[in-house]
Amino acid sequence: ETGVTQSPTHLIKTRGQQVTLRCSSQSGHNTVSWYQQALGQGPQFIFQYYREEENGRGNFPPRFSGLQFPNYSSELNVNALELDDSALYLCASSWGTGAGEQYFGPGTRLTVT
Amino acid sequence: AQSVTQPDIHITVSEGASLELRCNYSYGATPYLFWYVQSPGQGLQLLLKYFSGDTLVQGIKGFEAEFKRSQSSFNLRKPSVHWSDAAEYFCAVGGSGNTGKLIFGQGTTLQVKP
Repeated sequence: ETGVTQSPTHLIKTRGQQVTLRCSSQSGHNTVSWYQQALGQGPQFIFQYYREEENGRGNFPPRFSGLQFPNYSSELNVNALELDDSALYLCASSWGTGAGEQYFGPGTRLTVT
Repeated sequence: AQSVTQPDIHITVSEGASLELRCNYSYGATPYLFWYVQSPGQGLQLLLKYFSGDTLVQGIKGFEAEFKRSQSSFNLRKPSVHWSDAAEYFCAVGGSGNTGKLIFGQGTTLQVKP
């Protein structure tokens, strides 16, 4: 059984740039959720994708967008990066909708300068 | 408002001592409750979950948690802590509805003294 993988591990971007983060879900899972974890904080829900559609969104602006592909992998895109976007971005996979058991990847550390 | 409170930001225990990490939640519907552990620079690992049924749930690594609806609490316990348990612990709440959103607490950092 393959776990959740994320790429890249680390990323440094400049304010105003755009970034794409990638996630491969655990085998057998069809749902991907994205979370932002600022330093010293708990993760905050960005959105969830199920069957290639957005299925719930947290309190994040539209410049945070995502995609899910037929193989259930997912991308998180952030446009017009701001300094406050610096965080650990976590992807979690699960089966079906709802807040069931979510299994997290190791995260992508994004630094915006 | 939906929220999770972990009152203890930092806890230090001696190796071999018992541990209890507190978690209180506010959630309008029937909650699903989780405890996750995060080692430095790592993602989150699911320790245990409560969906329904028996209010005392067992998890991995010798952890257990008890759901108390009257107190809106879901405290994590371990009878004897090992040095490898030092990490950040997060309590989270979600619902059976459709959005898949988990609401996390701020976390409790556990330090284990030899």
